[in-house]
Amino acid sequence: NAGVMQNPRHLVRRRGQEARLRCSPMKGHSHVYWYRQLPEEGLKFMVYLQKENIIDESGMPKERFSAEFPKEGPSILRIQQVVRGDSAAYFCASSPLDTLPSYNEQFFGPGTRLTVL
Amino acid sequence: SQQGEEDPQALSIQEGENATMNCSYKTSINNLQWYRQNSGRGLVHLILIRSNEREKHSGRLRVTLDTSKKSSSLLITASRAADTASYFCASNSGYALNFGKGTSLLVTP
Repeated sequence: NAGVMQNPRHLVRRRGQEARLRCSPMKGHSHVYWYRQLPEEGLKFMVYLQKENIIDESGMPKERFSAEFPKEGPSILRIQQVVRGDSAAYFCASSPLDTLPSYNEQFFGPGTRLTVL
Repeated sequence: SQQGEEDPQALSIQEGENATMNCSYKTSINNLQWYRQNSGRGLVHLILIRSNEREKHSGRLRVTLDTSKKSSSLLITASRAADTASYFCASNSGYALNFGKGTSLLVTP
């Protein structure tokens, strides 16, 4: 039973390039969450998605960031025109479908460490 | 302002001793979860305690929750060097988990 999978594990981009981060939730999970962790900080919520729907994107920067969770395939967090301040670890978590998200444990992937040069 | 503030920021103990970490949060919650993160790695879920629970055990872990004080504690008994990690509490009042900055625990042999 594979856990939450994220790739790539490490991503290096130059300023102005695009970063695409992928997340495959655990089998049977249909809720996906993205969090960002800056150095020496805790995780900050970015966005919550279900299949083909963005439920809550209140933590997402208004510009350059977007997320999707298509019917088929992994969830994608996309950062356009990256800047140095985007350097961070980006974690994806998932939780099952059949109970309210607020009562569910969220299971985290290993993260993608983005470095912007 | 940030939910889920852990205290202390750093804790250093010897193997065999107990480690206690505290967490405070600001708004009402559905549950509170504790996670462990080894340096440069992902988060490992340790335990979830619901708002109507006061205490929960899992192996060497004991978590308490006091909703009147909006606080929680994590006790690790008989600590081991392998327990060295950062520990985060995360309060849950909706979809998102609200994390603090964590407690960095060092267990020396």
